[in-house]
Amino acid sequence: GDSVTQTEGPVTLSEGTSLTVNCSYETKQYPTLFWYVQYPGEGPQLLFKVPKANEKGSNRGFEATYNKEATSFHLQKASVQESDSAVYYCALRFYGSSGNKLIFGIGTLLSVKP
Amino acid sequence: GPKVLQIPSHQIIDMGQMVTLNCDPVSNHLYFYWYKQILGQQMEFLVNFYNGKVMEKSKLFKDQFSVERPDGSYFTLKIQPTALEDSAVYFCASSLGRRSAETLYFGSGTRLTVL
Repeated sequence: GDSVTQTEGPVTLSEGTSLTVNCSYETKQYPTLFWYVQYPGEGPQLLFKVPKANEKGSNRGFEATYNKEATSFHLQKASVQESDSAVYYCALRFYGSSGNKLIFGIGTLLSVKP
Repeated sequence: GPKVLQIPSHQIIDMGQMVTLNCDPVSNHLYFYWYKQILGQQMEFLVNFYNGKVMEKSKLFKDQFSVERPDGSYFTLKIQPTALEDSAVYFCASSLGRRSAETLYFGSGTRLTVL
């Protein structure tokens, strides 16, 4: 079936260090890949999305490349800040007959210490 | 950016009672979704809805659950009767269309506690 697997948290980093959250996916469709971020007490909000294979998405210093061959979409940031502390979700969505739900990974809790 | 509003933010009810969760989606959006998140766990799809009909539902969408959006008003999730395991945060989302690249916008959730 269709699924998303990502780094299980929690991940704790010091400010200024680099971040990688691994994400791999499984589907026979042609998905768009998403990274969502969720802050405490809020719903997930879009960080960025990439609809095409071999393209890169980025926002607020975060980036990820849609690697179709490896079926991966790893999230990276060169230097994290305390304000980046949140839960990060990798997700996929594809065009189909049933309204196209967003399929989430388990989420990775990131805590950044000053 | 586009806002999805959910009312109420918290709801406490006794097991067996009925509860209705309300969602005001983005104004021109056509597709609507409910997700369930138990504290600290994964976002799990419940149902999506378009043009007055359920398009797809998961195994979590029990017979006690129903959704509707009468006359373009709130998109609602009704649970009747409620059970202890229904305690969770319920997130509503909407999207303009169903193409894969279109973004789902989420509300801030309704925390439901069933006693």
